[in-house]
Amino acid sequence: GNSVTQMEGPVTLSEEAFLTINCTYTATGYPSLFWYVQYPGEGLQLLLKATKADDKGSNKGFEATYRKETTSFHLEKGSVQVSDSAVYFCALSDQSYGNNRLAFGKGNQVVVIP
Amino acid sequence: GAGVSQSPSNKVTEKGKDVELRCDPISGHTALYWYRQSLGQGLEFLIYFQGNSAPDKSGLPSDRFSAERTGGSVSTLTIQRTQQEDSAVYLCASSLEIGEAFFGQGTRLTVV
Repeated sequence: GNSVTQMEGPVTLSEEAFLTINCTYTATGYPSLFWYVQYPGEGLQLLLKATKADDKGSNKGFEATYRKETTSFHLEKGSVQVSDSAVYFCALSDQSYGNNRLAFGKGNQVVVIP
Repeated sequence: GAGVSQSPSNKVTEKGKDVELRCDPISGHTALYWYRQSLGQGLEFLIYFQGNSAPDKSGLPSDRFSAERTGGSVSTLTIQRTQQEDSAVYLCASSLEIGEAFFGQGTRLTVV
């Protein structure tokens, strides 16, 4: 079945550091890929998406490229801010079999220290 | 409001009691999802509705869990004979386009 794997453990880094969160996926069809973010005390919200291979999603300085050859969708930001502290979830949706289910990874807590 | 609304926001119940959680999706959104979020467990898929039908119920953890959606809008998740392991935040989301789900704030369920 479809699944998403995120790197283990929280990520702690200093302001202005480079952030990478790894995400790999397994899918039977041609999935769309997403990153969702959950800021403290808030609900999950869509951060960015990519719907086909080699697409790059971007928003708020974050980027992720859909790599079919490595089945990956790693999230990157060149210079993080304290306000980027949140939990980040990678997700996929594969409608190949008529099922629009969104499958999520376990999430990564990101803490940015001033 | 314009977003996904869930009620109650918090629910404390005694073990063995039944609970009902409600979700009001964004008007016009045809897809509706229920997830469960436990500490350290990420988001666990429970059930997905397209209109009033549920093409995917595979995530419901046991037959104590059921959900329905009426009029292509409001959905209710029911947990019968609650157990302590049911304690979690239950999240509802709705979407119009593939994968662009809008989430509610969740219902925090505590079974004591």
